[in-house]
Order: sequence, then C-alpha cells, then structure tokens
Amino acid sequence: DQQVKQNSPSLSVQEGRISILNCDYTNSMFDYFLWYKKYPAEGPTFLISISSIKDKNEDGRFTVFLNKSAKHLSLHIVPSQPGDSAVYFCAASARETSGSRLTFGEGTQLTVNP
Amino acid sequence: DTGVSQDPRHKITKRGQNVTFRCDPISEHNRLYWYRQTLGQGPEFLTYFQNEAQLEKSRLLSDRFSAERPKGSFSTLEIQRTEQGDSAMYLCASSRPGQGAPYEQYFGPGTRLTVT
Repeated sequence: DQQVKQNSPSLSVQEGRISILNCDYTNSMFDYFLWYKKYPAEGPTFLISISSIKDKNEDGRFTVFLNKSAKHLSLHIVPSQPGDSAVYFCAASARETSGSRLTFGEGTQLTVNP
Repeated sequence: DTGVSQDPRHKITKRGQNVTFRCDPISEHNRLYWYRQTLGQGPEFLTYFQNEAQLEKSRLLSDRFSAERPKGSFSTLEIQRTEQGDSAMYLCASSRPGQGAPYEQYFGPGTRLTVT
C-alpha cells in the first residue's frame, strides 16, 4: 500500500527554468508534509515542509504547494540550478496516529542541465 | 556539531551471519529513527526511540531485527541470520522537538548492507 506516490521517476529541466516535482498521497490522516533532497552516497537532506493548515510555504527558491482536496503537493524550484540535480523525496506524517514516523514516496531524479 | 554519523558505511556479509550497525545522533537530539531504503524506493520506517525508550516499531522489523538505545545517546541495529532480502541502505535520523521545523529529521549517510 503506497500511501505516498511520486509518479515521475525523473525530470530534466534547463538551468534558470522552473522545476516542478509532484507528489500524491492517499492517507487523509497525513497532516504534515516534507521534501528531502538526496545526493549519491549521502543521507537525505531536509528542504522544506508544510502543515496541512496551510496551502503554501516558501523558502528562497523553493516553494511547496498543498492541495488537500486533491491530496496533492508539489515542490517548485525557481530558478533551477545545476547543483539542484539530485533525487527529491516527498514525505508525510500523520501526527495523531503514527507519531513521528515519516512515510516517503519513491523519489524523483531531477537533472538540471547547464 | 558534526551531524548524524553511522558506522560502518559499507558491510558485506554472507547469508546467515549476524551484523550490527551503529548510529550516533546529533547531540541533544532525543529522538532517533531507523529507516531502510532499497533501490528505486524511498526510505521505509523501521523503528523510533525517544531517549532510551523504543516507542514504535514497523511490521517490517521482523524477529531477526533488534534495535537498542541503552543510554539515550547512540543506537545499534542488529540483524540476525541475514538473508539476501536484507540487502539495503540502512539510514539513521535524529530530531529534537521544537528545534527547526516540526518533524524535521536529520539523516546520517547510511550503512549499505550487501548479503551474499
């Protein structure tokens, strides 16, 4: 039962353009969402998060949008830079029922071409 | 503060052997988590400690797996009688409620286990 899904295994964009990474979830108990970035041979690094009481959170070049009715969230990176090339994971938490565990999607490999 | 560290970084073992991994969380982080990641998948939750208490275990954590955090600092994850299906990256993370974004977990570099 894949409760968090990232349907695009890979995404390629040009430097300076917008990168949009998508994530869908099925568990309506999820109330907190996070994006992590992972480089090869390193652990995931936290990027940005959003609570279910909000629909947008922005931090520099990164913005996360949450559409609760569609159970969908997206990460926008503007402008994209070659150093953003990595695997991006969407993660969710249901604080009332599952404590601190994070449920991750499969990841999307982002490649930003110079 | 050097971040979350894990040891060893790589482990190759023969089927049936026991292995033990260590995780040192960020100092003063009272929560520690173990995840497992296989190729092409995201990390999957295994277990979680608050201080020395193991508060949650996933159904993925079979009887062959045991985790400890005896003094509420470092943690060990032991796999007994390893099977080829245990081959994966084992990730450790830590967090401190109230520090940074809620539920932000800081991950270590992982231990890659290969069972031959």
